Amino acid sequence: AQKITQTQPGMFVQEKEAVTLDCTYDTSDQSYGLFWYKQPSSGEMIFLIYQGSYDEQNATEGRYSLNFQKARKSANLVISASQLGDSAMYFCAMSLGGNTPLVFGKGTRLSVIA
Amino acid sequence: GAGVSQTPSNKVTEKGKYVELRCDPISGHTALYWYRQSLGQGPEFLIYFQGTGAADDSGLPNDRFFAVRPEGSVSTLKIQRTERGDSAVYLCASSLTFASGGTDTQYFGPGTRLTVL
Repeated sequence: AQKITQTQPGMFVQEKEAVTLDCTYDTSDQSYGLFWYKQPSSGEMIFLIYQGSYDEQNATEGRYSLNFQKARKSANLVISASQLGDSAMYFCAMSLGGNTPLVFGKGTRLSVIA
Repeated sequence: GAGVSQTPSNKVTEKGKYVELRCDPISGHTALYWYRQSLGQGPEFLIYFQGTGAADDSGLPNDRFFAVRPEGSVSTLKIQRTERGDSAVYLCASSLTFASGGTDTQYFGPGTRLTVL
């Protein structure tokens, strides 16, 4: 069975600084996808970034990048130049490809300080 | 274009009552998912539809929970004899289906907050 572990319940970062949110995963499958979602206090889950298990390059989307280390089974999210609007819960999730359901971690609450 | 929509946004009901939660996916998305998110937790999978049929309902906690998607678009999650433990945010997501390989990104709606008194 798949499992996602996020060990940081809460993180603080100064505005304009970079921050790394940790995610480790466990699966015996070779083909899988890793996702990060942002959930502001409004409750909606907002897709941020995706990394496929066979992708050789780390995924990047604007200020978001995914530090994918396959041998360590980690998929950390890096947010550069933090903004006050980045304050939210962040969830790491995994699927086994195609339309299989997502398995989520417990999330990390990020607070950006002015 | 329009995202995933869910109604109602909030639902308060009494223990033992029946409730229906509705999800309208992104137009053209064939896959639809229901998740449940309890306070302080990540979402947990309930059921997944591919078109009109339930492709995987292994996450439904018991037979009080049922979901339908009769025309392959809108879906309704139905909960009978509600219990206080059913209180949570119910999230719906939809995705395209790739013909071969790939992983489909799921896009979520705003959720329905269900409170069972």
